[in-house]
Amino acid sequence: EPEVTQTPSHQVTQMGQEVILRCVPISNHLYFYWYRQILGQKVEFLVSFYNNEISEKSEIFDDQFSVERPDGSNFTLKIRSTKLEDSAMYFCASSEAGADSPLHFGNGTRLTVT
Amino acid sequence: SQQGEEDPQALSIQEGENATMNCSYKTSINNLQWYRQNSGRGLVHLILIRSNEREKHSGRLRVTLDTSKKSSSLLITASRAADTASYFCATGDNNNDMRFGAGTRLTVKP
Repeated sequence: EPEVTQTPSHQVTQMGQEVILRCVPISNHLYFYWYRQILGQKVEFLVSFYNNEISEKSEIFDDQFSVERPDGSNFTLKIRSTKLEDSAMYFCASSEAGADSPLHFGNGTRLTVT
Repeated sequence: SQQGEEDPQALSIQEGENATMNCSYKTSINNLQWYRQNSGRGLVHLILIRSNEREKHSGRLRVTLDTSKKSSSLLITASRAADTASYFCATGDNNNDMRFGAGTRLTVKP
């Protein structure tokens, strides 16, 4: 069964550094998402992406964050200048028909900011 | 979109018992979805129920939706230790931002 893949599985970075988290969504899906989950807490929506542009974003998704679909397969989340509080699991998801269909999640990237 | 709110926050049962989790929301929806998360892993979709449906089954899972009360329930029958996980609901509407609540942490004791 096709799956969403995320790399790396674990990223350690120093405060103030830029990080890029990578995702390969399921190939025929058109809608892409990033979520984050601080340890033991709820899964928080960051951003959704459709037709090469952001369709929705949350209050968490400020100017430090950006997303890109640089080619036909990858979907990336960039954090420009990481803060300690950015430490979390970051999940990518994709779906065929947006919120009208199931989301398929990757297994996440654990980001640790020191 | 609004987020679903799951209840209870935690539930502990014995293997073989049924587990019921609830989800409430505030405004009109197109669908409601239930997901499961094993510790440290990505969410896995379980069931999608549309606003014009009242009940849906998938194996040992039964989901109900009451749009007049703006609530849904997920019933897991004959629970197994492997059902231990966190369960989340999310609502789909005309916006493309599915939001999840804090989840119900289910523990099934062998």
